[in-house]
Amino acid sequence: SQQGEEDPQALSIQEGENATMNCSYKTSINNLQWYRQNSGRGLVHLILIRSNEREKHSGRLRVTLDTSKKSSSLLITASRAADTASYFCATDYHMRFGAGTRLTVKP
Amino acid sequence: EAGVAQSPRYKIIEKRQSVAFWCNPISGHATLYWYQQILGQGPKLLIQFQNNGVVDDSQLPKDRFSAERLKGVDSTLKIQPAKLEDSAVYLCASSLGQGGSQEDTQYFGPGTRLTVL
Repeated sequence: SQQGEEDPQALSIQEGENATMNCSYKTSINNLQWYRQNSGRGLVHLILIRSNEREKHSGRLRVTLDTSKKSSSLLITASRAADTASYFCATDYHMRFGAGTRLTVKP
Repeated sequence: EAGVAQSPRYKIIEKRQSVAFWCNPISGHATLYWYQQILGQGPKLLIQFQNNGVVDDSQLPKDRFSAERLKGVDSTLKIQPAKLEDSAVYLCASSLGQGGSQEDTQYFGPGTRLTVL
């Protein structure tokens, strides 16, 4: 079974709005990573958060981690059309990915 | 620096045929990964190499899939014989870590899209 499960499966917003997607996992982790995949391309690493961290920022990205709930969230602020992609979380345990959240940002 | 190279980019074969994919990781990267991504799903790790040794192949269907990484650089993934359900994108990734740490950022290639008819 997949370790990371993203929610929602699809999200459509207007440019300039914020986008929030969630990830749940099942076992204890050392770290959790978020990746982006543009249509027809390979994955691009966005950010890694360790199990002893609660929040991490990178540019317009904000990631939170709640190990008690085994969940993480990715917030993209001031979204742009170029943010349109699928977003995946993966835990360090065998690098298992979920099915992803497909984000569409309308101009 | 050059990224992860994969070839071919597309492949169409009949079921029961054999197929091979090639990956050239970023120079100096010790760890290499092969993933299978079925349409609408996330990537599934098939095998992880550290240099030329296998770290994890727990999800590799060993009755039909094989992979090797000779000399700890390039790698090939083979499917023999192919089934309809093998239709997917096969992604190769590499990371710098010598210790196979899962904190190492993975750099992905563009993938090979396989269609089995």
